[in-house]
Parts: sequence; structure tokens; C-alpha cells
Amino acid sequence: GNSVTQMEGPVTLSEEAFLTINCTYTATGYPSLFWYVQYPGEGLQLLLKATKADDKGSNKGFEATYRKETTSFHLEKGSVQVSDSAVYFCALSDRGYSTLTFGKGTMLLVSP
Amino acid sequence: GAGVSQSPRYKVAKRGQDVALRCDPISGHVSLFWYQQALGQGPEFLTYFQNEAQLDKSGLPSDRFFAERPEGSVSTLKIQRTQQEDSAVYLCASSLTGASGKGEQFFGPGTRLTVL
Repeated sequence: GNSVTQMEGPVTLSEEAFLTINCTYTATGYPSLFWYVQYPGEGLQLLLKATKADDKGSNKGFEATYRKETTSFHLEKGSVQVSDSAVYFCALSDRGYSTLTFGKGTMLLVSP
Repeated sequence: GAGVSQSPRYKVAKRGQDVALRCDPISGHVSLFWYQQALGQGPEFLTYFQNEAQLDKSGLPSDRFFAERPEGSVSTLKIQRTQQEDSAVYLCASSLTGASGKGEQFFGPGTRLTVL
């Protein structure tokens, strides 16, 4: 079956530091890959996505590249801000109607 | 415009009680999903509707869980005879596209269910 594994948190960084959150997946076929973000007290929001190998998704300074050879979709940001503090979920979809399989989430804490 | 809304936001139930959780998707969205998110975990798929048709209920953990979407808009997730392991956040999401589409899912804020 499908599964997503992401690094355990919390990840604690100082403002302007470089961020990497690792995500690897197992899936049949060729899934679409997503990063969702959950800010404190809010619902899940789509951050970025990639639908085929070598695609790069990007949004709000975050980016992730779909690597089929390593089955990975690592999230990166060059300079984090305090406002980026949230829980980040890696997810995949390989069914026609887009049911998502999520990782366990990684909490990011950014201090001034 | 209005996003996905869910009610109630918080529900406390005594073990053995029945509960009903409501989801109002974005108007016009064909697809509707329910997920269960246990504390410290990612959301897990429960069931999927395309309009009023429940096309996949493979994620429902037991026959105590029942979902409906009779008119293809509002959906209700019902849990009968609640147990402590049902305590979780229940998330609803809707998507504009139907089967074979890969439209973005828009999530509601969730209903936090606590079973005592």
C-alpha cells in the first residue's frame, strides 16, 4: 500500500536559517506529491505540489522537487521566518479521485 | 468566498453516545472527503463522495461509522456507540473535480471529538 515517511520533529531553527524537511514515499504507479501546512488553530492548507517526476513545486519561498529515483519530495526554504512556524505534512495521491495519504507531520518552530 | 465549514468545532461525548458531525463544502464542489486525524498523526482517509454517491468507504474503521451526502452538498459523519479510540479530529475536504481529476482539496477546520 501507499505510505509517506517524513522526518520527526520538532525542527527548531533561528530566523533566516535554511530549512529542509525530508519526505520519502512508497506508492504504486506515479503519484502526485504535496506539501500541506497547518498553522496553529487553522485548517490544512496546500503549500505546493508536483504531479510528475522532476517537477518542482514552489510557493511562499518554499520548494520541493519530485525525485522518482529516490522516491523523495524534500521541502526546502532558504530563509525561514517566525511566521513559518507550523506543522508541515507531506502527502501523495495516486487514485483517480485524489484521496490523500499523509505522513505524520513535522512541527517547525522558528525563533527570532 | 466561504471555505469549507464544519460543525461543531468541538464535541465531547460519553462513551456509548452517538454523535453527528457536519461538513459544508465549498459550493459547487463535486468531491467530498472525510479524514480522521489522531493526536500527533497525519490525517487518514475515511470515505469519499462524488456528488451524492459514496464511491469509497474503505477507510471507515468499523460499522459504527456511517457517512452520507444525500443531496450532493452537505455531508454528515455519524459515529454510533462512541468509544475512547474514536477521539480524534475529523477533517472534511472538498474538491471541485470528480473522478479521474486531481483537483486541490480544500480542508475545513475540523471537529475535535473527545470521548470520555
